[in-house]
Order: sequence, then C-alpha cells, then structure tokens
Amino acid sequence: AQSVTQLGSHVSVSEGALVLLRCNYSSSVPPYLFWYVQYPNQGLQLLLKYTTGATLVKGINGFEAEFKKSETSFHLTKPSAHMSDAAEYFCAVRRGVYNTDKLIFGTGTRLQVFP
Amino acid sequence: DAGVTQSPTHLIKTRGQQVTLRCSPKSGHDTVSWYQQALGQGPQFIFQYYEEEERQRGNFPDRFSGHQFPNYSSELNVNALLLGDSALYLCASSPPRWGPMNTEAFFGQGTRLTVV
Repeated sequence: AQSVTQLGSHVSVSEGALVLLRCNYSSSVPPYLFWYVQYPNQGLQLLLKYTTGATLVKGINGFEAEFKKSETSFHLTKPSAHMSDAAEYFCAVRRGVYNTDKLIFGTGTRLQVFP
Repeated sequence: DAGVTQSPTHLIKTRGQQVTLRCSPKSGHDTVSWYQQALGQGPQFIFQYYEEEERQRGNFPDRFSGHQFPNYSSELNVNALLLGDSALYLCASSPPRWGPMNTEAFFGQGTRLTVV
C-alpha cells in the first residue's frame, strides 16, 4: 500500500527566508510524486511532479523538490519565501503510470509567511 | 477554457438528507475523479468515472454514488447524510489515457458541504 507522511502541519517563515516542507512516502513500486498547493477557498494547483529521470524537479513559483529514493523523501523547497506563498501544501503519491490513477495525499502543511 | 467547474460552491444540508454535487470537466478531458477533503485533512479518493462507468473506488460506503453523462460531466450523490460528511468535495478531470502522458489531472475549486 502507498502512503504519504508530511512532517509538520504548520511551518512559519519570514519573507525572504528558505522554505522547506517535508514529505516522506511509502511505496512498493516506483512512485510518481507530486506537490500541490491550495489557497484559501480554492481547489488544488499542481506545483511540480516527479515521474522518472532527473531527481531534482523544478516547478512553478520558484519551488523545487528532490526525489531521494534512499531516504524515501520528496521535500519541497524555495530559496526565498514571498508573502503570496502562504497556503496549504499537499504531497501526493500515485501508484500508476496513467494520469487517471488515483492520488494518495498527505495531511498537508500550512505555510505562514511573516513580513 | 473554463477549466473544471463545480456547482454549487457551498451547500448546507440536514442529517439524513440527500445531496447531489455537479462537475463539468476541462475541455478535452473524459475522466472525472471525486475526492473528499475533510477539515484539516488531505483529499481522499472517492471514485472515478470513465465512459459513463465507475472504474475505481476508494474506501467509501455505498451511500456515495455517482454518474457520468455522455458529455463527460459528472454527479456525486450522497444519501442519508451524516455530520461526518461535512467536507470540501473536489472534482478532478483527466485527459484521455492515450493523450500526452505529461498532462496531469486538473482540479476544480470544490463544493463545500456542511451537514447540520
């Protein structure tokens, strides 16, 4: 069975500081990994994804994540936080190759950015 | 392109009632998945519809049912509502499997259901 664990339900950073949101996964097969962002009263927006190939993936809004198989991790980072980054972030894993296969989400991390 | 549209945006129902939520997929998408996001939780997969049939189902009771129409739009029905059914219900649409493999599911803004 696949699962995702997000360490830290709340993360607070100052504007301009490094953002690090942690995600560990469990999967019996090579995983497809995703980070989504959810702004208040909004749906989910895809930030980035790892399928195969390069383990460092770059996404929108300056975010990137690195797939580390040995650590079963897929942490999300951004070098310099902006006030507009305040939102809920979800890590997700997908078992199958197809984009129609179901996603399994973590419980989310709320990012607060202080001026 | 309007993306994925869901209606209504908010809904209040009483325990025991029945509710129907609606989803129109993004243009060119033929598969619709439904997720339940309880407060403070991540979304959980309910089921998926393709070619007007339920193809995959998560761990949800039979009170949760759905339908897909020939135009690919979909409905989620919940019978005998419980307080615990209060959540944000998200619809996600996906393009055909033979389409570009790098095109991921696209989520709507959700319907917030409150059961009182």
